[in-house]
Amino acid sequence: AQRVTQPEKLLSVFKGAPVELKCNYSYSGSPELFWYVQYSRQRLQLLLRHISRESIKGFTADLNKGETSFHLKKPFAQEEDSAMYYCALKEIQGAQKLVFGQGTRLTINP
Amino acid sequence: KAGVTQTPRYLIKTRGQQVTLSCSPISGHRSVSWYQQTPGQGLQFLFEYFSETQRNKGNFPGRFSGRQFSNSRSEMNVSTLELGDSALYLCASSLLVGMGTGYTFGSGTRLTVV
Repeated sequence: AQRVTQPEKLLSVFKGAPVELKCNYSYSGSPELFWYVQYSRQRLQLLLRHISRESIKGFTADLNKGETSFHLKKPFAQEEDSAMYYCALKEIQGAQKLVFGQGTRLTINP
Repeated sequence: KAGVTQTPRYLIKTRGQQVTLSCSPISGHRSVSWYQQTPGQGLQFLFEYFSETQRNKGNFPGRFSGRQFSNSRSEMNVSTLELGDSALYLCASSLLVGMGTGYTFGSGTRLTVV
């Protein structure tokens, strides 16, 4: 069965410091990976998807199939990055459901 | 364009009652998925509909059901409510199913069972 693990429930860094939110997955086939973000009192929104290989709000994430990881990184954290971050996996073929990790609450300290 | 709209925003129900939640997807989106979000279990997939057909179902009891109408609007129903059904229910829509398809989420319906 598919599984997404975000080992850190809470992560706190200072403004300007690098940030890395970890995500590991287990899935026997080829998955599609996403990062979703939920700011305070806002709806869950898509941040990144691995197939796009894009940088959004300074965040990047690389799919490492060897390590089955999809860590989210930003070189210089900003206070507005404080939010709840969810890593999610979707099968490329078969069930089109998203399997979410438990989430990491990121706090950027001034 | 309008986002995903869920109604109502809040609901309080009594154990044993049933409830119906509604989701209007983004115009043109044909896929609607439902998720349950709780502090303990996180986000869990309930079911997905595409073109009025249920394509996938999560591991929830039969008390949880849904349907999709020809205009892509979807409803989910929970019968014989239990205290543990208290949660934020999220609806997500997407244009298609398949690779590269991102989902747009609604604000959710917060259900409290007392």
